[in-house]
Amino acid sequence: SQQGEEDPQALSIQEGENATMNCSYKTSINNLQWYRQNSGRGLVHLILIRSNEREKHSGRLRVTLDTSKKSSSLLITASRAADTASYFCATNSGSARQLTFGSGTQLTVLP
Amino acid sequence: DAGVIQSPRHEVTEMGQEVTLRCKPISGHDYLFWYRQTMMRGLELLIYFNNNVPIDDSGMPEDRFSAKMPNASFSTLKIQPSEPRDSAVYFCASKLNDGKGGKLFFGSGTQLSVL
Repeated sequence: SQQGEEDPQALSIQEGENATMNCSYKTSINNLQWYRQNSGRGLVHLILIRSNEREKHSGRLRVTLDTSKKSSSLLITASRAADTASYFCATNSGSARQLTFGSGTQLTVLP
Repeated sequence: DAGVIQSPRHEVTEMGQEVTLRCKPISGHDYLFWYRQTMMRGLELLIYFNNNVPIDDSGMPEDRFSAKMPNASFSTLKIQPSEPRDSAVYFCASKLNDGKGGKLFFGSGTQLSVL
């Protein structure tokens, strides 16, 4: 079953605008990660936020985590056409070594 | 480092045939994961290995699927016999043991079509 569920399923914006994607999960986590997948390619790790962190930044990416609401958001600022991709959240829980992925948000950035 | 290498990139086969997917993880990584991606079910974990030993194969759909890791630099996922519902993209990923749930490095995937 999917631990993380992304919202929205699809998002279309103009270049230069900000894009916000949300992820909700069901069980307590050790950390939450965001990945990007370009069409026809494998997933690429973007950022990891631990359960005791509330916000993290990496370049144009900002991730927040609210463990009380079991939710996270990924903000991409000043989007570019090259940001067009699917974005997945993934969680790690308990003693597990594996990640459980959400269903993804398809982001389209129009030039 | 070349990253995680999967082969073949595309595989088209007929129902009932045996299919073997291959993966070379990043050198030094001690965890290897096989995931399957479909539109309907998203990314599903099939099996993962630690130091070449299968740890959790609860995601393997049925006995037609088997996976091996004979050494630290090679793993195979075999489907015998294949069925049309096995059509999907199969990803291999590896990671270094850095505690719980470190980041994964994915290969480019094998697009499998079973006719």
